[in-house]
Amino acid sequence: DAKTTQPNSMESNEEEPVHLPCNHSTISGTDYIHWYRQLPSQGPEYVIHGLTSNVNNRMASLAIAEDRKSSTLILHRATLRDAAVYYCIPPNAGGTSYGKLTFGQGTILTVHP
Amino acid sequence: DAGVTQSPTHLIKTRGQQVTLRCSPISGHKSVSWYQQVLGQGPQFIFQYYEKEERGRGNFPDRFSARQFPNYSSELNVNALLLGDSALYLCASRFRGVGGETQYFGPGTRLLVL
Repeated sequence: DAKTTQPNSMESNEEEPVHLPCNHSTISGTDYIHWYRQLPSQGPEYVIHGLTSNVNNRMASLAIAEDRKSSTLILHRATLRDAAVYYCIPPNAGGTSYGKLTFGQGTILTVHP
Repeated sequence: DAGVTQSPTHLIKTRGQQVTLRCSPISGHKSVSWYQQVLGQGPQFIFQYYEKEERGRGNFPDRFSARQFPNYSSELNVNALLLGDSALYLCASRFRGVGGETQYFGPGTRLLVL
């Protein structure tokens, strides 16, 4: 399975942009990168996923490096509700996951009022 | 539509006992995955079931077992409980579309083993 590296923690002020990096240097060419987050006392929730080009949805944007060795999750205006652990999820070997998400330690995002 | 539901929300057991946790996926989802999340760590994959068959298993001992019913709900069973089994147990139902799959998690069952 591909492996990811994320900073242990990051801080931001409310209404400022946040860039959460992830290194996935062992990813193969056809694997999607997924991001999930886990709010306090809740189960993880899907944020966004992408393959090669940048992706946007109502929650966030995902910028994927041209060589696909890294990606950055972008929260355009952080709110207090965005305080969570953010997980960059690597794809599994062969591109099939059989329902298995491999979570690392993730990045703990603290948002200051 | 209701999301993924799990029961009970909290549970206290003693070492050596057995526990059964329950999960109902999102309506229309046929796949359920189970995860264990120990305090301070990310969730760890235990099992995945699809159409009532086990399709994946993580690195957990045989004390852990699961099954899926015709209505796609699922149960996770843990026998001979150890203190180290204290954790948040998460269930997720899976939707597979363009770009791979998305998993939708329930709120979890918090198990404390004394």
